[in-house]
Amino acid sequence: ETGVTQTPRHLVMGMTNKKSLKCEQHLGHNAMYWYKQSAKKPLELMFVYNFKEQTENNSVPSRFSPECPNSSHLFLHLHTLQPEDSALYLCASSQEGGLAWHTDTQYFGPGTRLTVL
Amino acid sequence: AQTVTQSQPEMSVQEAETVTLSCTYDTSENNYYLFWYKQPPSRQMILVIRQEAYKQQNATENRFSVNFQKAAKSFSLKISDSQLGDTAMYFCAFKTRSGSEKLVFGKGTKLTVNP
Repeated sequence: ETGVTQTPRHLVMGMTNKKSLKCEQHLGHNAMYWYKQSAKKPLELMFVYNFKEQTENNSVPSRFSPECPNSSHLFLHLHTLQPEDSALYLCASSQEGGLAWHTDTQYFGPGTRLTVL
Repeated sequence: AQTVTQSQPEMSVQEAETVTLSCTYDTSENNYYLFWYKQPPSRQMILVIRQEAYKQQNATENRFSVNFQKAAKSFSLKISDSQLGDTAMYFCAFKTRSGSEKLVFGKGTKLTVNP
């Protein structure tokens, strides 16, 4: 696998379910991100992790719980979601700092299409 | 706070023709990056082109080029010889070099290439 991968690609869950989204980056980057993309709305940054430490929580409801066990893996744990949480959830990674040509450039995974019933 | 504005929600172009997508941004920073991302109907967001603000030369990637006007805070994307596969949402994005990892996106322009 290369780049940024996300599983599952599609997820349908009820409001009382608990599920997790997984993201893995194979680029050797030190920062990872969760974004929410809803129809007709700009991309919303949810969480940022840099060297496994959370550096940004963009006022996200507690029903979304991120976990970053190492620089290559990022999870988004979901519980008691609402129908308005239905969206495309995108993961991204980047190399922050340094002098490489791709520094500070985010690379995205294919996304998980989440539907909350 | 930085903002990115894409004033064209939708555009269309005939195959093989040239199209320009506009983007303006607002910042008080002097050192930053600008990006164009493409998101085809299959969803994956792909980096198209990147520009570093301190570089005066406009970035180019094959059929894609930018017109970076730093004083005007304008960063337009030109697609030459448009192809059907260029049909996608295009997002302009801004990132400061001051230490924040945050990427600020515009609302996107939906480009349709017609045969």
